[in-house]
Amino acid sequence: EDQVTQSPEALRLQEGESSSLNCSYTVSGLRGLFWYRQDPGKGPEFLFTLYSAGEEKEKERLKATLTKKESFLHITAPKPEDSATYLCAVQSTGGGNKLTFGTGTQLKVEL
Amino acid sequence: EPEVTQTPSHQVTQMGQEVILRCVPISNHLYFYWYRQILGQKVEFLVSFYNNEISEKSEIFDDQFSVERPDGSNFTLKIRSTKLEDSAMYFCASNRGPGNTIYFGEGSWLTVV
Repeated sequence: EDQVTQSPEALRLQEGESSSLNCSYTVSGLRGLFWYRQDPGKGPEFLFTLYSAGEEKEKERLKATLTKKESFLHITAPKPEDSATYLCAVQSTGGGNKLTFGTGTQLKVEL
Repeated sequence: EPEVTQTPSHQVTQMGQEVILRCVPISNHLYFYWYRQILGQKVEFLVSFYNNEISEKSEIFDDQFSVERPDGSNFTLKIRSTKLEDSAMYFCASNRGPGNTIYFGEGSWLTVV
């Protein structure tokens, strides 16, 4: 059974204070690892897909990296508008098309 | 930019009533999904649908749930006899195929009283 564990559960940063979110996963075979952003009462908004260990992707202040066991979402010089819950999900080769989600990291960036 | 749209955004229903949640997936996508998120919990897979049939379903998706693509654009989730524990945000999603990004709608918040 696919499993995803995210840490920390919650993170409070000052504006400009860089940090990383962790996503550890266990799958039979990884088809893809996905990062989403979720604002309160909204649907998950796609950020990145990573397919193989060593892959990295960047978008504005966010950078996602992938190893064989975990993924990191690095946030550089965050702003208050980056406050959201960040979700990690995996799609496995043995799990059809479905995504298995972690519980998310709730990020709050303060002035 | 194409997006998945869902209606209604919020529905309150009496326990035991039937509910239909509606979705319009992105037009060139072939795979459609329903997920749900109980307040404060993780997003959970319910069902995937491809080529006019269910391709995969979770343990949550029991006989009280059904899905349908009644025409070329809509995709629906029906809950036959709602229970209190069905109260959740229901997300519709779609993608082109395995390994491709799955895009989510904004959700339908269902409250069963």
